[in-house]
Formats: sequence, C-alpha cells, structure tokens
Amino acid sequence: DQQVKQNSPSLSVQEGRISILNCDYTNSMFDYFLWYKKYPAEGPTFLISISSIKDKNEDGRFTVFLNKSAKHLSLHIVPSQPGDSAVYFCAAKGNYGGSQGNLIFGKGTKLSVKP
Amino acid sequence: EAQVTQNPRYLITVTGKKLTVTCSQNMNHEYMSWYRQDPGLGLRQIYYSMNVEVTDKGDVPEGYKVSRKEKRNFPLILESPSPNQTSLYFCASSLRGGLVSYNEQFFGPGTRLTVL
Repeated sequence: DQQVKQNSPSLSVQEGRISILNCDYTNSMFDYFLWYKKYPAEGPTFLISISSIKDKNEDGRFTVFLNKSAKHLSLHIVPSQPGDSAVYFCAAKGNYGGSQGNLIFGKGTKLSVKP
Repeated sequence: EAQVTQNPRYLITVTGKKLTVTCSQNMNHEYMSWYRQDPGLGLRQIYYSMNVEVTDKGDVPEGYKVSRKEKRNFPLILESPSPNQTSLYFCASSLRGGLVSYNEQFFGPGTRLTVL
C-alpha cells in the first residue's frame, strides 16, 4: 500500500498565481518530509523540507505546510513562474526500525505554469 | 563541481545481455541508492548502500545486483535484463543514511534503459 500519496497527477496554474501541490501520508513514524523538483532529462533536485516537529517552512517563493493530525503536507509556490513547470515529488523519511531512514516517494505531480 | 554522474545516459539492449550502469559521486557521501522511475509509479528504490561493502534491498530489487567496493562508486548490474526492466534509472547519494540522520539526497541525471 502506498505510504506517500500525491493524488493529483497534474496541475495547471496561471503565471503569477499560487500553485498548491498536495501530499498525503499514512505512516505516523515519518520524521522528515521533502519536496523534489524534476525537469525532463534531468535528475530530481531537492527543493525544500520540513521536520515533523514543525508545521511550516519557508524558502523564498516556496513554503511547505505540515498538518500532522491530517497526515497531510502541501507545497505552496507564490508567485508561480513558467520556470516552475516541472514534476514535483513528495518524499518522506521514516525513523522506525526497518525503514533504515530511506526516502519513500510519491508518484509525482506535473505542474504547468502558463504565461 | 559536486555531482553524481551516471553512465551511460541512454542504452538500448536485448533481453538477456548483461549490462552495468555506473554511478559515481565526488562528495565523499556514505549513502548511495538506486531508483527506477516508471509512468504512474513515481520513484521506487531498488538497492541502497549505507557505506562501503554494506548494501541492502529496496522495494523492487528483483533482477538487479549492486556492489559498493569503493565509497564513490555504486554500479547497478542487470545480469539478464528483461523488457520489464525498461525504465528510467536514477542514482542518488547523501552524506549519511540511517534513522537518525537526515541528509538531502543528490541525484544523478538518469539513465534511460530500453530492453527489447
């Protein structure tokens, strides 16, 4: 069963508006959550992360919100730019035995920002 | 420049012909990992390595082998490739792995493999 879910395969947003990418998880033993961005023909690159003891982390135009009670996190991009068009992966790191601290990735959401 | 490199970037092969995809990092990272990306399935971990001579299976290890004889290299070996191993493969590394550590993973550019 999927432990990290990105239920929207794609999202289209107008330039200058807010993009909100969502991620749900099932395992309460995750202690870090990360967002990666992937352009075609390139490897994923780290974007922003959040510890499970926090509910918000901000880095420039990017903000990640964590709602532990709902097991939900979201990535907000404000304002969205055409260069933000990419696939965004949500990932979670476990801190329980057997997880080895490996990252578990969602299926990704393809963001298209239209000029 | 700090980076993870993979070779080859593209490979078309036939069923049963052994192949190796190389991965190298120049950041002195302890942890390395291989993933495959398939449409609708996201990134799935194949194998990982906590350090030299320490490797372990990820979520989809069947049909793959790895070795970690040196810290910088982590090759992925397909002894007898099959068409269901047609995929986009990524190598990644981070400073450390394990439960306590959190280190972001750096990814290579990917290897697109087609098995006919």
